[in-house]
Amino acid sequence: QSVLTQPPSASGTPGQRVTISCSGSTSNIGYNSVSWYQQFPGTAPKLLIYSNNQRPSGVPDRFSGSKSGTSASLAISGLQSEDEADYYCAAWDDSLNGWVFGRGTKLTVL
Amino acid sequence: QVQLQESGPGLVKPSETLSLSCTVSGGPVSSDRYYWSWIRQPPRKGLEWIGYIYYTGSTNYSPSLKSRVTISLDTSKNQFSLKVTSVTAADTAVYYCARGYCSGGSCYDIDPWGQGTLVTVSS
Repeated sequence: QSVLTQPPSASGTPGQRVTISCSGSTSNIGYNSVSWYQQFPGTAPKLLIYSNNQRPSGVPDRFSGSKSGTSASLAISGLQSEDEADYYCAAWDDSLNGWVFGRGTKLTVL
Repeated sequence: QVQLQESGPGLVKPSETLSLSCTVSGGPVSSDRYYWSWIRQPPRKGLEWIGYIYYTGSTNYSPSLKSRVTISLDTSKNQFSLKVTSVTAADTAVYYCARGYCSGGSCYDIDPWGQGTLVTVSS
């Protein structure tokens, strides 16, 4: 059972800007930082954004994250075909004392 | 650069125990900054956090699995392990080991992840 709410799908054409939302509560997103993960079929998730809006080394600056209250967003600008993947948000949950994930958003590049 | 690698049987019979190990290379599991975690992903579904172990041996598990899960740490082998008892078909999933980063009383991201190992529960 996912505690964070994401849209199941998103789409865009090459070059467009796409955003994916992630909604939680005060026990998770409200008081803890959000991370985002990119997953291609048959591979492990890869850290894309940490601490709400920080990019690990090697992640293009086309990817950006933001957080406001109990919601967060991942934005992808200059969409490319290789961005087609599943995207998951996650946050520490103080009630669970563990990590919670969204159900994932499948991004399609049209 | 820290790397994690899962190992264990890919097929487990219903009602038996699933056992997996995660070997950590490039850094010690005896670090006070990380929660060594297990996460699973059923076929065509999302990610589910199973639990973690801290270097002190302290653990915490998902409430939905708590009665069947044990995570342990072997610092001599730089490994941590997962056991899930009384498995059913619903436990069929890709199981990932991963490192969760925590500092100053707060926990942040999960990175890196192992490549994952598919465990099928079937007779």
